[in-house]
Amino acid sequence: KQEVTQIPAALSVPEGENLVLNCSFTDSAIYNLQWFRQDPGKGLTSLLLIQSSQREQTSGRLNASLDKSSGRSTLYIAASQPGDSATYLCAPRGGANNLFFGTGTRLTVIP
Amino acid sequence: GAVVSQHPSRVICKSGTSVKIECRSLDFQATTMFWYRQFPKKSLMLMATSNEGSKATYEQGVEKDKFLINHASLTLSTLTVTSAHPEDSSFYICSASRQGLTDTQYFGPGTRLTVL
Repeated sequence: KQEVTQIPAALSVPEGENLVLNCSFTDSAIYNLQWFRQDPGKGLTSLLLIQSSQREQTSGRLNASLDKSSGRSTLYIAASQPGDSATYLCAPRGGANNLFFGTGTRLTVIP
Repeated sequence: GAVVSQHPSRVICKSGTSVKIECRSLDFQATTMFWYRQFPKKSLMLMATSNEGSKATYEQGVEKDKFLINHASLTLSTLTVTSAHPEDSSFYICSASRQGLTDTQYFGPGTRLTVL
């Protein structure tokens, strides 16, 4: 069964810093991988989706990379803002459209 | 586009009662809907996958008689927690996809269930 690990579990940075969130997964036979944002007590907002054949995807200040063979993905956030404070979840997707979620990285951006 | 709603957003009920949670795709037809459960500070765990007009497929360890799932139309799936107990208290999130195996999952805002 797919196991997803996200490091660090929590991260606190001053506003303006660039940062990297890490995700590793045990089964490299994935269809794609999504990064989500979750605000406290709320649902999930999809940030980026990388297909298994892609190496990276960019959206605004966010850049996600995928190394499928080594079971790793990173989410790079440039010029962090207080509004970026949330929990970030990565979720590789298996062939049955099952999403396997990590426990997330709780990000706090300090003004 | 691709908006998914859940109702109610919060529910508090007494132990032994049943609670129904609705998941709707507002602007697209969802061939497949998924139900997840999230404990505090824990990851989302897939409970079951439902396809319109057929029985749901439950993940290992999820009691199908406890968590009844109905996907009666292409825009609505319901999760009924039967004879709820305090250990069923959790955050339940649904997602929906157009094509099932090949499409992105769009998530609802979640339902916080508290069983007293």
